[in-house]
Amino acid sequence: GEDVEQSLFLSVREGDSSVINCTYTDSSSTYLYWYKQEPGAGLQLLTYIFSNMDMKQDQRLTVLLNKKDKHLSLRIADTQTGDSAIYFCAENSSGDKLTFGTGTRLAVRP
Amino acid sequence: NAGVMQNPRHLVRRRGQEARLRCSPMKGHSHVYWYRQLPEEGLKFMVYLQKENIIDESGMPKERFSAEFPKEGPSILRIQQVVRGDSAAYFCASSPFQGDEQFFGPGTRLTVL
Repeated sequence: GEDVEQSLFLSVREGDSSVINCTYTDSSSTYLYWYKQEPGAGLQLLTYIFSNMDMKQDQRLTVLLNKKDKHLSLRIADTQTGDSAIYFCAENSSGDKLTFGTGTRLAVRP
Repeated sequence: NAGVMQNPRHLVRRRGQEARLRCSPMKGHSHVYWYRQLPEEGLKFMVYLQKENIIDESGMPKERFSAEFPKEGPSILRIQQVVRGDSAAYFCASSPFQGDEQFFGPGTRLTVL
C-alpha cells in the first residue's frame, strides 16, 4: 500500500529558509501536494506538483520532486512567524483519495 | 462562494451515544471525502461519496461507522455507540470532479468521554 513519511519537527530562525522533506512509496502518484494546518484549523492547500515536473516555484515556496528517489521537498524562503504550523505532504496515487504523511511541525523562532 | 462547511465544529459525546457529523460541500462540488485525524497523526482516508453513492469506503471501520450523501442536503458521517478511541478530528473535503483538487472544511473535533 501507499506510505508517506515525513520528519516530525523542524525549527528555524525567522528570515532563514525552511526545507521540509517527504518520501513516498507509490510510484504511480500523479499529483503530490503540500498542505498547511494551523492549530485547531483545517487544511489549507499551499501548492502541488504534477508528477512529470521536477520543480515548481510559487512566490516564497519551491517544491522539488525527485521521482527516481520518490522524494518531495518544500522550501519556504524568508520564513516568518506566521509560517509556524504543521505541514503535510500528500499523494493521490489511487485517484480518489489522498494519502497523507504524518506531518512536520515547523517552529519559527525570532 | 462559501467554502466547505462542517458542523458542529466541536462535539462531545459519552461512550455508547451516537455522533452525527455534517458536511456541506462547496457549491458545484458533487464529490465528498471524509478523513480522520487522530491526535498527533496525519489524516487517514475514510470514505469517498458522490451524490447518493458510496464510491470507496476502504478506510471505513467495518462496524459502527456509516456515511451518506443524499440527493438533497449535506453529507453525514454517523458513528454509532462511540468509544473513546473515536475521539479525533474528522475532516470533510469536496471536489468538482474525481481526482481534482480537494478543498477541506474546518473539521469537527469529536471528544468521547
